[in-house]
Amino acid sequence: SQQGEEDPQALSIQEGENATMNCSYKTSINNLQWYRQNSGRGLVHLILIRSNEREKHSGRLRVTLDTSKKSSSLLITASRAADTASYFCATASPGSARQLTFGSGTQLTVLP
Amino acid sequence: DGGITQSPKYLFRKEGQNVTLSCEQNLNHDAMYWYRQDPGQGLRLIYYSQIVNDFQKGDIAEGYSVSREKKESFPLTVTSAQKNPTAFYLCASSIKVMNTEAFFGQGTRLTVV
Repeated sequence: SQQGEEDPQALSIQEGENATMNCSYKTSINNLQWYRQNSGRGLVHLILIRSNEREKHSGRLRVTLDTSKKSSSLLITASRAADTASYFCATASPGSARQLTFGSGTQLTVLP
Repeated sequence: DGGITQSPKYLFRKEGQNVTLSCEQNLNHDAMYWYRQDPGQGLRLIYYSQIVNDFQKGDIAEGYSVSREKKESFPLTVTSAQKNPTAFYLCASSIKVMNTEAFFGQGTRLTVV
């Protein structure tokens, strides 16, 4: 079953603008991860935020986590055409050591 | 270069045939995973292995089989019992279980003809 659900399903912005994607999940987690997937390719890990963290930065990426609302957001600042891809959140839950549970993704298109 | 390699990139199967997808990693990771991705969808777990000679079913294991005879290798066989096998298959690995970063291969696109 899919735990994380991204919102919006699709997002189209102009180069230079910021892009925000949201992820909601249902059960308690150990950590939440964001991945990027270019069309027809494998996933690439972007950032991991642990359940006791509220915010994390990596370059132009900023991730927030609100465990009380069971939600996370990924902000990409000053977007570039090369940021065009699908973005997935994935959750790792306590007692479920076997897997990451992925959402259905947000398709981001950055227009030059 | 360290990484995880899937082959082939494209695979065509006739109905009723079994096919095997290859996944090899040289990252010295204990855990390996197979996911299936359908168009516009997220990833669904087929099988996972936390250690050599051990593997467990994921959410959609029916019609698939795996083996883990070597730490580096985790091949997936799509059997004729899988009624809708056309999909994009992704292999991943991690140091231990999935509480750390996962590394993915580039995927195999399987089409039934």
